Amino acid sequence: EDQVTQSPEALRLQEGESSSLNCSYTVSGLRGLFWYRQDPGKGPEFLFTLYSAGEEKEKERLKATLTKKESFLHITAPKPEDSATYLCAVRQAGTALIFGKGTTLSVSS
Amino acid sequence: DAGVIQSPRHEVTEMGQEVTLRCKPISGHNSLFWYRQTMMRGLELLIYFNNNVPIDDSGMPEDRFSAKMPNASFSTLKIQPSEPRDSAVYFCASSFYGGISNEQFFGPGTRLTVL
Repeated sequence: EDQVTQSPEALRLQEGESSSLNCSYTVSGLRGLFWYRQDPGKGPEFLFTLYSAGEEKEKERLKATLTKKESFLHITAPKPEDSATYLCAVRQAGTALIFGKGTTLSVSS
Repeated sequence: DAGVIQSPRHEVTEMGQEVTLRCKPISGHNSLFWYRQTMMRGLELLIYFNNNVPIDDSGMPEDRFSAKMPNASFSTLKIQPSEPRDSAVYFCASSFYGGISNEQFFGPGTRLTVL
C-alpha cells in the first residue's frame, strides 16, 4: 500500500499560470514532511520541511502547506526555470524518508 | 563544502560482473543513505547508516546487494553478480541526525546500466 501519493503525475503550465501540487500520506506518527526538487540528471535538492498541521513555508514562487493528511506545493506565477520534478517525502521514526513518485512540472513561455 | 560526492557517475557493465559504487558524505554528517531510482518504482531507500552502523537494510533487494561504511567519510554499495534489472540511478545522501530538521542532501547519482 502506497504511503505517499503525489498528484498529478505531470503538469503543464503556461508561464504565470499558478497551480498546486498535492502530496497525500497515510503514515502515522509523522515526524516531518519534506519537499525536494529534482532536475534531469541530478540528485534531489531540498526545498522545505514541514512538521505540524497548519505550518506553511515559502521560498520565492513556492509555498508549501501541511494538513493532517496532505501537503500542497503552491506555485505562484511560475517561470520556465521552475520546470522540474517535485518530490514529496515523509519521515516516521528514525531518519529514513519514504518518497512519493513525484510530479513532473513543465512551464512554457 | 563540495556536497555529497559519488563515483563513478556512469557505469556500464555486463550481466554477472561485480559493480562497486562509492560515496563520500558531507563532512560532519552522521547519517548516510543509499537510494535507487527507476521510472517504475521511483526513489526507494535501500539501506541507511547512523554513525557508520547499518540501521535498516530492509530495502536491499537481494543478497547480491551489500553496503559498507568503514568510516565516517566513505561508503560503498556493491552488487555481485549484477543483473539487467539492477539498471537504475543510485543515489547516496547524507544528513545530520539529531539536528533540528534532518534534511538529507543528495549526491549527483550513479547511472548504472547492466547489459
